[in-house]
Amino acid sequence: DIQMTQSPSALSASVGDRVTITCRASQGVGNDLGWYQQKSGRAPKRLIYAASTLQSGVPSRFSGSGSGTEFTLTISSLQPEDFATYYCLQYNSYPRTFGQGTKVEIK
Amino acid sequence: QAQLVESGGGLVKSGGSLRLSCAASGFTFSVYYMSWIRQAPGKGLEWVSYITSGGDTIYYADSVRGRFTISRDNAKNSLFLQMNSLTAEDTAVYFCARHSNGFDSWGQGTLVTVSS
Repeated sequence: DIQMTQSPSALSASVGDRVTITCRASQGVGNDLGWYQQKSGRAPKRLIYAASTLQSGVPSRFSGSGSGTEFTLTISSLQPEDFATYYCLQYNSYPRTFGQGTKVEIK
Repeated sequence: QAQLVESGGGLVKSGGSLRLSCAASGFTFSVYYMSWIRQAPGKGLEWVSYITSGGDTIYYADSVRGRFTISRDNAKNSLFLQMNSLTAEDTAVYFCARHSNGFDSWGQGTLVTVSS
């Protein structure tokens, strides 16, 4: 199984801050990597797929980069509605595996 | 747009069974692969099972293999998860999700609580 390791597991940031979350795969997944946002009590929402493709309707302050084993989600200017938990997902092989999540909290 | 609505969750005793359903609308269900994904209270996301569009290929996570059975009825635009021999570790919100470069659409989830 491919293990996905996210860092950090939590962070505190202020509105307007630039935020970076990293996801590392235990073996190469090409660019078969997505990023999801989940707010409390809600279903996850896809932000990014194919490592760097922005989901339609998602604000451009979200961006993704990387390939192989190292991936990054960046929020260029954190907004109040961005406080949530973020997960990476590899869909290169089965079982599909998620990172453990990064909780973004208000400083 | 795509809509997925899960149902069938509830409270069940350890060792019991439950059948979850996922009703799909707004897209051509029969051409999409589908999965079940779960989230234990306060925990992260865990992929559970996958089925191809025609139902000919199925995968399970090790944690549920031999106890859970995924199926679908394309004529009724529905996805199912039969869960047997449930344990407290199966307590979670269960989401159905559509495959497209990962999972592009998710239902709202249905809560399964297994009491010991």
